[in-house]
Amino acid sequence: GQNIDQPTEMTATEGAIVQINCTYQTSGFNGLFWYQQHAGEAPTFLSYNVLDGLEEKGRFSSFLSRSKGYSYLLLKELQMKDSASYLCAVRRSMASGNTPLVFGKGTRLSVIA
Amino acid sequence: GAVVSQHPSRVICKSGTSVKIECRSLDFQATTMFWYRQFPKKSLMLMATSNEGSKATYEQGVEKDKFLINHASLTLSTLTVTSAHPEDSSFYICSARDRSGSAYNEQFFGPGTRLTVL
Repeated sequence: GQNIDQPTEMTATEGAIVQINCTYQTSGFNGLFWYQQHAGEAPTFLSYNVLDGLEEKGRFSSFLSRSKGYSYLLLKELQMKDSASYLCAVRRSMASGNTPLVFGKGTRLSVIA
Repeated sequence: GAVVSQHPSRVICKSGTSVKIECRSLDFQATTMFWYRQFPKKSLMLMATSNEGSKATYEQGVEKDKFLINHASLTLSTLTVTSAHPEDSSFYICSARDRSGSAYNEQFFGPGTRLTVL
């Protein structure tokens, strides 16, 4: 089975830092992804972690602890355009060799002035 | 990154009709494509995994006779919603896997198809 949990909604102030947490329990783990999705649009790739530790990419960083089944996405210097849904996804390993991404319910982030 | 297209982007149909959605990988060969469904303010739910030249693998709770998937070539997969009903109204998104890419860049998403069944 699989279970991916993240907060439903968060609000943060422009210019601030926000951390979005994700915990997962999956049968087979082959990497964790974060995607950004604006309403009515397809998800866009933000980050990928397969080993423990922090991956930094500009204003966005993502952390993974495989032993704890835990990840977070850190957004710095928030901008109004960062208001979107942030999706945590786990790449699942299957006996068939297929490796689909399984998504959490997403966190709707609202950035306010 | 690689480009995945979907057609149509938006479709409105009457209850009881069938609707076909196309997903194409434009500049790479996709041996595997994935179909997702997303309801308003909800996350993406994996419906099925489509492998070129073989039958699709459906997730639990997804009716394979209701959602027909065909992956006839390395660049095209189709999802047909048969005898559509209002509860099938949703945002359908496909993604394709580029096996030639680096690990984190392997799966690309199409722009989605908004289906409304009246």
